[in-house]
Amino acid sequence: SQQGEEDPQALSIQEGENATMNCSYKTSINNLQWYRQNSGRGLVHLILIRSNEREKHSGRLRVTLDTSKKSSSLLITASRAADTASYFCATTTSGTYKYIFGTGTRLKVLA
Amino acid sequence: DAGVIQSPRHEVTEMGQEVTLRCKPISGHDYLFWYRQTMMRGLELLIYFNNNVPIDDSGMPEDRFSAKMPNASFSTLKIQPSEPRDSAVYFCASSRTGRYNEQFFGPGTRLTVL
Repeated sequence: SQQGEEDPQALSIQEGENATMNCSYKTSINNLQWYRQNSGRGLVHLILIRSNEREKHSGRLRVTLDTSKKSSSLLITASRAADTASYFCATTTSGTYKYIFGTGTRLKVLA
Repeated sequence: DAGVIQSPRHEVTEMGQEVTLRCKPISGHDYLFWYRQTMMRGLELLIYFNNNVPIDDSGMPEDRFSAKMPNASFSTLKIQPSEPRDSAVYFCASSRTGRYNEQFFGPGTRLTVL
């Protein structure tokens, strides 16, 4: 079963707008990562947040983590058409390198 | 660095045939992962290796699937015999200890079993 569940499943916005997607998970985690997948390609790592962190920034990306709610959000600010892709969260528990990926959010940014 | 290399990129075969997928991880990476991606089940971890040793193969669907890593620069995923339900995109990824598990994915192999 999926550890992470993203919502929404699909999101369509205009270029320049912000995009927010959420990830919920079921068990305690060591860290949580977000990946992007362009159509027909492999996944690309975007950002990692550790279980003892609450917020992290990288360029136009902002990730938050609420371990009490077992949830994370990814915010992409000032979106561009090139941000069109699927976004996945992935979690791992302490002592293992076994990652479990969520179901993904398909983002479409309209020019 | 060339990144993670997978071959073939596309494979079309008939039910019952043996299929072998290949992966070359990034040099210096000591973890290697095999994933399968389908619309119905999403991205599933099949097996992962550390220093060429299989650590967790609990995601391997059944005995028809096997994976090997004879050395640090090569791994195979074999399906024998293949079935139509094995049709999926298979990804290989590698990572390095101490890099907080950031994984680098290959471009994937799209497998179609007729």
